[in-house]
Amino acid sequence: DQQVKQNSPSLSVQEGRISILNCDYTNSMFDYFLWYKKYPAEGPTFLISISSIKDKNEDGRFTVFLNKSAKHLSLHIVPSQPGDSAVYFCAARLDSGNTGKLIFGQGTTLQVKP
Amino acid sequence: ETGVTQSPTHLIKTRGQQVTLRCSSQSGHNTVSWYQQALGQGPQFIFQYYREEENGRGNFPPRFSGLQFPNYSSELNVNALELDDSALYLCASSLGGTGEAFFGQGTRLTVV
Repeated sequence: DQQVKQNSPSLSVQEGRISILNCDYTNSMFDYFLWYKKYPAEGPTFLISISSIKDKNEDGRFTVFLNKSAKHLSLHIVPSQPGDSAVYFCAARLDSGNTGKLIFGQGTTLQVKP
Repeated sequence: ETGVTQSPTHLIKTRGQQVTLRCSSQSGHNTVSWYQQALGQGPQFIFQYYREEENGRGNFPPRFSGLQFPNYSSELNVNALELDDSALYLCASSLGGTGEAFFGQGTRLTVV
């Protein structure tokens, strides 16, 4: 039962253009959504998050959009830079009492070409 | 401020053996979560420890167990290793169960 899905395994964009990474979810009880970036041989690094009561959160070049009716979120990176090349994981938090269990998608590998 | 550190970074074990993985949480964090990441998949929640007590568990069998110590460091123990246990094991620390999670670099376990 895949509650969080990233349907695109990979994405390639040109430097300076926009990167759009997508994520779909099924559980309406998720209270927070997060994006993590992962380089090889490193652990995931937190990038940006959004509360389920918001529809947009922006931090510098990164913006996350949440469409609750469609159970869909997306991460926009503008402008894309070669250093952004990494695996991006979408994660949703299920708050059960004081346990912040994160449920991850399968990841999307972003390649930004110079 | 030290980050989350895990040891060892790589490990090879034989099927049926037992393994212990270790995690030192970020300074000031009292909660540790463990995740298993199989090849080509996203991390899957194993369990979480808050103030030395298990505080939530994912869909993993009882041969996956853990400990948290008074200094908030943690161990993940896996008994009776199976080939499918081969994966990257990630530890994440946070302040409280729902605080922002900071991940370590992971331990790559290979079961042969």
